[in-house]
Amino acid sequence: AQSVTQLDSHVSVSEGTPVLLRCNYSSSYSPSLFWYVQHPNKGLQLLLKYTSAATLVKGINGFEAEFKKSETSFHLTKPSAHMSDAAEYFCVVSGTSGTYKYIFGTGTRLKVLA
Amino acid sequence: DVKVTQSSRYLVKRTGEKVFLECVQDMDHENMFWYRQDPGLGLRLIYFSYDVKMKEKGDIPEGYSVSREKKERFSLILESASTNQTSMYLCASSPYRGSGNTGELFFGEGSRLTVL
Repeated sequence: AQSVTQLDSHVSVSEGTPVLLRCNYSSSYSPSLFWYVQHPNKGLQLLLKYTSAATLVKGINGFEAEFKKSETSFHLTKPSAHMSDAAEYFCVVSGTSGTYKYIFGTGTRLKVLA
Repeated sequence: DVKVTQSSRYLVKRTGEKVFLECVQDMDHENMFWYRQDPGLGLRLIYFSYDVKMKEKGDIPEGYSVSREKKERFSLILESASTNQTSMYLCASSPYRGSGNTGELFFGEGSRLTVL
C-alpha cells in the first residue's frame, strides 16, 4: 500500500532564510511524487513533480525537491523564503498501476516571519 | 492557460436541500475527481471518473452522487444536504498517462459550502 508522511505540521522561517519541508513516502511501485501549494481559500497549485526522470526536480517560485529512493524521501527546499511563500504545502504520491488514486499528506503550514 | 473551473466559490444551503456543484475542465483530460477538504482531515476523495459516464467511489462517497455526461464536465450532487457536509469541495482533473505513470492533478479554486 502507498502512503505519504509529512513530518512537520507547521514550519516557521524568517524571510530570506532557507525552507525545508519534509516528506517521506511508502510505495511498492515506482511512484510519481508531487508537491502542491495552497494559499487560503484557494485550490491547490502544482509546485513540482517527480516521474522517474531526474532525481533533483526544479519547480516554480524557486522551489526544488530531491527524490531519494534509499531514504524514501522527497523533501521540498527553497534557498530563501519570501513572505508570499506563506501557505500550506502538500506532498502527494500516486502511480499504483491500474488505479487512479492520489495519496495526500496531511499538509505543512509554512509561516514566514518578517 | 489550462483551467479547471468550479461554478460556485461560496454557497449557503439549508438542510435537506439538493445541491449541485459543477466543474468544467478545458484540457481534454480523461480523469476527473471530487475531494472534500476539512481542517485536520486533509483531502479525502469522494468520487472520481476516468471516462464519460464512468465513475468510481472514493473513500467517502456516502451522501454524494456524481454525473459525467460530457468529458469536460463533472458534477457533484448532494441529494439532501446535511450540516456535516459543510466543507471545502475541490474538483481536479488529470490526463491519462498509461499504467504506472499518473499525470499531475489540476485543481479548481474550490467551492466552500455551508449547510445551515
